[in-house]
Amino acid sequence: DVKVTQSSRYLVKRTGEKVFLECVQDMDHENMFWYRQDPGLGLRLIYFSYDVKMKEKGDIPEGYSVSREKKERFSLILESASTNQTSMYLCASRFQGEGGYTFGSGTRLTVV
Amino acid sequence: AQKITQTQPGMFVQEKEAVTLDCTYDTSDPSYGLFWYKQPSSGEMIFLIYQGSYDQQNATEGRYSLNFQKARKSANLVISASQLGDSAMYFCAMREGVPLSGGSYIPTFGRGTSLIVHP
Repeated sequence: DVKVTQSSRYLVKRTGEKVFLECVQDMDHENMFWYRQDPGLGLRLIYFSYDVKMKEKGDIPEGYSVSREKKERFSLILESASTNQTSMYLCASRFQGEGGYTFGSGTRLTVV
Repeated sequence: AQKITQTQPGMFVQEKEAVTLDCTYDTSDPSYGLFWYKQPSSGEMIFLIYQGSYDQQNATEGRYSLNFQKARKSANLVISASQLGDSAMYFCAMREGVPLSGGSYIPTFGRGTSLIVHP
């Protein structure tokens, strides 16, 4: 089975801190995705990457950046965390035609 | 306009009864796919079921079935014989268009329905 691993389940950071959320997949997938999930808003795409060093903005990229230096790792970066970035962050790997995404278990980030 | 609409923010069902979670979609692409995911309180997104636009029969996976009505653009999830462990958020999603290099699509998700199963 494909595994997508997010390094932290829970994070608490202070306003203004630089925050790194890490995601690693073990199946050599080219495509990886970062979503943000908020109550009543569903999943919103922040950034995606279709290959190493290649990235594209999703629907809500403001305040975020990403890094894909190796195929297996896709990092989401909050350059200067703000309280409105308190949310659940989900990483996913390769949305196939019939099988859908494989998701990580999510990181609940609280910015205080 | 939303591409995926889930009109029920919350649903309640008695254990062992069936429940239908609604999903309508909007696309002009003749080739598309519809998905349902379950998200328990632990946060993990679990893939449940898939329906392709050209599939003639409704998809079924164990207690889950997808009531696909193409003309009405609806893809409702039916859970038969509800169990307490079915309490979770449920998301409908759609993929359409052409895939990225690497084979992925970029799906659109609905806002979710919270299902609570009562004993």
